[in-house]
Amino acid sequence: DGGITQSPKYLFRKEGQNVTLSCEQNLNHDAMYWYRQDPGQGLRLIYYSQIVNDFQKGDIAEGYSVSREKKESFPLTVTSAQKNPTAFYLCASSSRQRRETQYFGPGTRLLVL
Amino acid sequence: AQKVTQAQTEISVVEKEDVTLDCVYETRDTTYYLFWYKQPPSGELVFLIRRNSFDEQNEISGRYSWNFQKSTSSFNFTITASQVVDSAVYFCALSVTDSNYQLIWGAGTKLIIKP
Repeated sequence: DGGITQSPKYLFRKEGQNVTLSCEQNLNHDAMYWYRQDPGQGLRLIYYSQIVNDFQKGDIAEGYSVSREKKESFPLTVTSAQKNPTAFYLCASSSRQRRETQYFGPGTRLLVL
Repeated sequence: AQKVTQAQTEISVVEKEDVTLDCVYETRDTTYYLFWYKQPPSGELVFLIRRNSFDEQNEISGRYSWNFQKSTSSFNFTITASQVVDSAVYFCALSVTDSNYQLIWGAGTKLIIKP
């Protein structure tokens, strides 16, 4: 089945620790996105990538980093510089033919210990 | 600047009632897309519909229908004969070509369907 997978479903971070959230898609989509959602809030764009080896900052990129070495993978690292990382993280992708339409993965919930 | 407003923070209805979720958008672009997504308690965002700015035809899909009116910059979503499984947070979003198709999100409307 084609789709977007995110792992892990839950992730715990200790103070000062970097953690990496995985996002993989087998839809052959060119563009991929990372969003953050805080409780009771809408989505905010962290980073996006329209093509392999290229990515752009979104509205709240500080404290996060990404890489796009493969078309199907777009991992997000939450660095220790992100002081309030507790949130729900959603990955999305869109095709070149339908760039305006994003499809989402199941999300990763990050909690700080 | 682009903006999406979902004024209804939370709506609660009894099962089998009809319910309409409002969405008002702002953009100066003539080419844009409007979307509705559903977010059930599991968290995953489920794509429901996409509408482009040149197509004002209303759409019906089973118990769901969408009313797009450019004159009032609205893209409202109606659920007919609501069911408990419709309980979720619903997001309206806008995408414009000039912003690299980035989605501008509304704040969401939490819909509670009581049995």
